[in-house]
Amino acid sequence: QQQVKQSPQSLIVQKGGISIINCAYENTAFDYFPWYQQFPGKGPALLIAIRPDVSEKKEGRFTISFNKSAKQFSLHIMDSQPGDSATYFCAASRMDSNYQLIWGAGTKLIIKP
Amino acid sequence: DTEVTQTPKHLVMGMTNKKSLKCEQHMGHRAMYWYKQKAKKPPELMFVYSYEKLSINESVPSRFSPECPNSSLLNLHLHALQPEDSALYLCASSQANGNTEAFFGQGTRLTVV
Repeated sequence: QQQVKQSPQSLIVQKGGISIINCAYENTAFDYFPWYQQFPGKGPALLIAIRPDVSEKKEGRFTISFNKSAKQFSLHIMDSQPGDSATYFCAASRMDSNYQLIWGAGTKLIIKP
Repeated sequence: DTEVTQTPKHLVMGMTNKKSLKCEQHMGHRAMYWYKQKAKKPPELMFVYSYEKLSINESVPSRFSPECPNSSLLNLHLHALQPEDSALYLCASSQANGNTEAFFGQGTRLTVV
């Protein structure tokens, strides 16, 4: 019930294409869903986050789509660039657990020039 | 200033050594975290401090000893580590209530020989 399942494990996208990473969860008590971006040798950095009262959130080229009934959420990267090549982690948390993050397994994204 | 600063960036230590990792933030955050991250894996929560008090210890072996001297500083004391403890150790901070964005440091790459 505490798991967050992330797919795919790795993804190769041509420059300018759309990168899509999916996550699914079981625990309906989760109320905060962030995406983190991590470059090699660096700590994760918050990219974008969503709460279950909205179905979509967009920040620049990055969009989270959220489907509460399906218990799924996804990250879309539009016009993907080589600089987007990184590992992306989805996560989930809930207020009554002091917002401890439950992490997905990660997706290694490579954008080919 | 939205930085979490960790020192040292790299550390090599023998199994009989004692060393400490340091973390500092000046964002006024009252929750601070230690994570351990193995290659190609998501971060694993080790400890949480909330208002300078240890609130979560995720069954971490006693060879890891956290300390929170004040609201801006977090230390992780290491003693008698094993080679399998080699990993990237990440510090993070967030506001203790409400806002849940966690800011991560760049990490300390620890190698135990």
